[in-house]
Amino acid sequence: SQTIHQWPATLVQPVGSPLSLECTVEGTSNPNLYWYRQAAGRGLQLLFYSIGIDQISSEVPQNLSASRPQDRQFILSSKKLLLSDSGFYLCAWSSYGQGIRNEKLFFGSGTQLSVL
Amino acid sequence: SQQGEEDPQALSIQEGENATMNCSYKTSINNLQWYRQNSGRGLVHLILIRSNEREKHSGRLRVTLDTSKKSSSLLITASRAADTASYFCATVPNSGGYQKVTFGTGTKLQVIP
Repeated sequence: SQTIHQWPATLVQPVGSPLSLECTVEGTSNPNLYWYRQAAGRGLQLLFYSIGIDQISSEVPQNLSASRPQDRQFILSSKKLLLSDSGFYLCAWSSYGQGIRNEKLFFGSGTQLSVL
Repeated sequence: SQQGEEDPQALSIQEGENATMNCSYKTSINNLQWYRQNSGRGLVHLILIRSNEREKHSGRLRVTLDTSKKSSSLLITASRAADTASYFCATVPNSGGYQKVTFGTGTKLQVIP
């Protein structure tokens, strides 16, 4: 069966510090991978999605970047965090577009990031 | 940017009552999905309805889709305290970037025992 791992669960970082959040998927190959951010009590904002290695689409022009060093690994980074980067970060995967009609997303458990 | 807008933003009902949440979206879609999120957790997929479908059922869930009005509704019948959560609609576009799944603002449902 497929599983998604996201860590850390909680992170407190000072303004101006770097960020690295990691997400890995097991049990599937060539998944579509996603990073979303959720402000407290709000909806999900799509940050990045990737349909393959070296194929990453950015939805938000901010100080965040994403990389996919391996097929099932998705990393969210920042060189210098801002206060506004605080939020709940969610990684997700799907297998849509691979001849499998399964468009639903499977989410990780999230990372609560507080920038102080 | 948010593709969908849910209303109401918050809903409080008694156990046993039905809960209805609505979602409006802006662009042409391939399908629309509903997800549930317990506080501080990841989202869980509930149901998917395709653009050529008008209604779909899954257990106590009933979803309708009106593509002419670009809207969908989620009905939870005979609600239970365990249904307390936030509910989000998500859309998959009809052209280019089928993988781009965007979410609405969510409805926070409280079911009072």
